[in-house]
Amino acid sequence: AQKITQTQPGIFVQEKEAVTLDCTYDTSDQSYGLFWYKQPSSGEMIFLIYQGSYDEQNATEGRYSLNFQKARKSANLVISASQLGDSAMYFCAMRESISGNTGKLIFGQGTTLQVKP
Amino acid sequence: NAGVTQTPKFQVLKTGQSMTLQCAQDMNHEYMSWYRQDPGMGLRLIHYSVGAGITDQGEVPNGYNVSRSTTEDFPLRLLSAAPSQTSVYFCASSRQITENEKLFFGSGTQLSVL
Repeated sequence: AQKITQTQPGIFVQEKEAVTLDCTYDTSDQSYGLFWYKQPSSGEMIFLIYQGSYDEQNATEGRYSLNFQKARKSANLVISASQLGDSAMYFCAMRESISGNTGKLIFGQGTTLQVKP
Repeated sequence: NAGVTQTPKFQVLKTGQSMTLQCAQDMNHEYMSWYRQDPGMGLRLIHYSVGAGITDQGEVPNGYNVSRSTTEDFPLRLLSAAPSQTSVYFCASSRQITENEKLFFGSGTQLSVL
């Protein structure tokens, strides 16, 4: 069963507008971490933001915020004031505390964001 | 700040050849891991290590070997390359294995097996 689901293969946004990238997750663990990574065309994986399952406040990092709805098991990434440099693939990922002790980061399939000038 | 360093960046192999992808980190991280990225499949864990001398298999370990003789280095060996191993490989590390630790990634190795 897919543990991380990103339903938007590709989305467009106009420069300077806000955009939401969807992510839902599935886990029976009580303690887990949710991460978003950005992968530009150059290929590296860049950490953006982290949300812990016990965090009551939504995480924010500059123009990035995470809309965490625990009951709905969703962890959407919101990018405010999009810039051309935000064009990239974005991955939602989860790290469980009981992932067989592998420390595995479970990734979604990614969403390609294109920012239009 | 070097972080996680992977070499080479690109590699082309013929079927049956062997090679080693190098990975080194300078952050004194206990946890290191290797992922492969294939189109439409996200990243999948190949092997991981929770400390020097300790390694274990991830979800797609067949055809790969690892070793961890030092905290810093975690090489990935392809024993006999196959076209199915054409992929982008990432090395990643974190301080610990816990759920609140982010992974730091290397810049990736694009491998083609002909």
